[in-house]
Amino acid sequence: NAGVTQTPKFRILKIGQSMTLQCTQDMNHNYMYWYRQDPGMGLKLIYYSVGAGITDKGEVPNGYNVSRSTTEDFPLRLELAAPSQTSVYFCASSYSGGGLAGITDTQYFGPGTRLTVL
Amino acid sequence: GDSVTQMEGPVTLSEEAFLTINCTYTATGYPSLFWYVQYPGEGLQLLLKATKADDKGSNKGFEATYRKETTSFHLEKGSVQVSDSAVYFCALSGSTGRRALTFGSGTRLQVQP
Repeated sequence: NAGVTQTPKFRILKIGQSMTLQCTQDMNHNYMYWYRQDPGMGLKLIYYSVGAGITDKGEVPNGYNVSRSTTEDFPLRLELAAPSQTSVYFCASSYSGGGLAGITDTQYFGPGTRLTVL
Repeated sequence: GDSVTQMEGPVTLSEEAFLTINCTYTATGYPSLFWYVQYPGEGLQLLLKATKADDKGSNKGFEATYRKETTSFHLEKGSVQVSDSAVYFCALSGSTGRRALTFGSGTRLQVQP
C-alpha cells in the first residue's frame, strides 16, 4: 500500500492564479481531510469528507473548494491564490465505522505540499 | 470549542536525558487523544494514542496517560536519542461528527549527542 499520496510536493503561484492539490489514498478509508500548517503552528482543518459525494467545511475554508467523487481521491482547489495561502498542505485519511462516541480511528497523513504565493 | 495547549519549544536535551512535553486540552464529551511526530521535511506520523480516561498509550519508548481529572496527556520518554529530534504535536479528536483532529502548536525537540 502506498498510503496517502499528494502531488505536487512544491509549487510557487502568483497572486490570482489557481491550482489543484491532489490527494489519493489506497486504504479504502471513508474519511478524508485537508489541513494547512503555517510556520510554528499546529494544523488547521480546511475541509473534510465522510464519504464519496459528501464534503463539509472545517475551520479555515475561505478561498478553497473540494470535491469527493470517489473514495480514493480528495482534491483541494485554490481559486485566486493570495499570499495568505502560503503554507504547507497535508491530506489525511481514516476509517471510522461509527459506533461508540469517543472511539476514533487513526488518521494517516500524506507527505505534504509546500505552496508559496508571491 | 475544542483546544489543545502544549509547552513551547524548542526543548534541548542531551542524549539519554528524560523527556517530558506537557499537553493539556479543553473539550466537550470524551475526546480521543494523540501524539503525532513530524521529522524534518516529512508528514505527520502517529506516535501513540489513548481513547479513554486512564488509558496509557505507548510506542518506541514514549508514553502518555489520559488524565481526565487534570485534562492532560503529557508525553514522556525515559532516555532520548539523537534520532528522536523532531516536532511533536498533541491532538484530540472529538467524539462525534467530523472526527477531525484539533492540534496543539507543536514542540520542537533537539537532542544533542
